[in-house]
Amino acid sequence: ETGVTQTPRHLVMGMTNKKSLKCEQHLGHNAMYWYKQSAKKPLELMFVYNFKEQTENNSVPSRFSPECPNSSHLFLHLHTLQPEDSALYLCASSQGLAGETQYFGPGTRLTVL
Amino acid sequence: GQSLEQPSEVTAVEGAIVQINCTYQTSGFYGLSWYQQHDGGAPTFLSYNALDGLEETGRFSSFLSRSDSYGYLLLQELQMKDSASYFCAVRVYGQNFVFGPGTRLSVLP
Repeated sequence: ETGVTQTPRHLVMGMTNKKSLKCEQHLGHNAMYWYKQSAKKPLELMFVYNFKEQTENNSVPSRFSPECPNSSHLFLHLHTLQPEDSALYLCASSQGLAGETQYFGPGTRLTVL
Repeated sequence: GQSLEQPSEVTAVEGAIVQINCTYQTSGFYGLSWYQQHDGGAPTFLSYNALDGLEETGRFSSFLSRSDSYGYLLLQELQMKDSASYFCAVRVYGQNFVFGPGTRLSVLP
């Protein structure tokens, strides 16, 4: 049971494709996050938004482009990805940046061919 | 930079008690969190220690010692459904969460 939904759950794309990942939270939170989870590696924070404003970009390549139209929705636009970008992409939200708890969505399993 | 270390795997039997350690090298942080993630699932929050000491939530307890740069998650009366990966995470001053590499717990019958 989660108040954070992500679509699609699985995505296969070629290196020349353009696709978008969507995240929606139904918890009334103000902060939203994108994480990358690769096999055998820790969760990597990619982007942080607070009240729709980007507050952090963890040196993420420009082929990943986030968008946050409002506090409930978060997108990750993908273009010209590399095979090493294949991973589980997780969205999370919290009640402000000081929130001690993050609520995660189920993730999108991305495979880049 | 900031880094957290956890054992990669732990195995225990049903009904036992297991402790998953987390050591860290980081500058000031607000607190230490623990998350559980089942295969194919999303990480879910388990506990948070803002202060040194023990926090108890049912079968799970978490401990923090800032002076020792160390924390742990204690799982009691293990059940098969506790088989999952467990991540520690710190919220670093001026930054967001930094996660440990995760510990895979296998509970055997």
